[in-house]
Amino acid sequence: EVQLVQSGAEVKKPGESLKISCKASGFSFATTWIGWVRQRPGKGLEWVGIIYPRDSDTRDSPALQGQVTMSVDKSLNTAYLQWGSLEASDSATYFCARRRLEMATIDAFDVWGQGTMVTVSS
Amino acid sequence: DIQVTQSPSSLSASVGDTVTISCRTSESITRHLNWYQQTPGKVPKLLIYLATTLQNGVPSRFAGGGSGTDFTLTISGLQPEDFATYYCQHSYTTPHSFGQGTKVEIK
Repeated sequence: EVQLVQSGAEVKKPGESLKISCKASGFSFATTWIGWVRQRPGKGLEWVGIIYPRDSDTRDSPALQGQVTMSVDKSLNTAYLQWGSLEASDSATYFCARRRLEMATIDAFDVWGQGTMVTVSS
Repeated sequence: DIQVTQSPSSLSASVGDTVTISCRTSESITRHLNWYQQTPGKVPKLLIYLATTLQNGVPSRFAGGGSGTDFTLTISGLQPEDFATYYCQHSYTTPHSFGQGTKVEIK
């Protein structure tokens, strides 16, 4: 079964660091782009970025550039999203998703993780 | 970056109605447009990709149209499970931005 399983909810203070995870199974992790999507409470979906595990090639959103870092551990089939210094505005649910990419036919997030809720509050 | 604008932001409809949601991009994306459905507290679900192609398992009452900069999602014969928020997303060049969402509510 193709699935993405994310780490559990986190409650942090401003200025703290955080790394959340997304473990993939049922497909070739190394050769499949993994994406991250942010959803602030009561708001819409925001594209955070994508990472290609085989060579860690990343494309990120200029709106979030420098605020968050994507990485992978191919040996664990796991993608990560991390912050060096959290801010209250980082409070959101973060989804990972599999980017299904087949040239000229599909380029979309077809499988999603269950989401990780991050709360940043003093 | 390509901007994506959805309209309306919300609409009210009854079971059995036909509704249409619009999505416009700031420049041509040919047909690189996806639609997702999200019900409250749930994970987004891919409905349509490449503007018109239904994802496996999606009912045929959902239909996507358009190309270039103007796209539509039409739901024919709304069912109770269709009351949700719908998002378009372009996949032409990164960042693959989402629209702001359209909430379909029960009248």
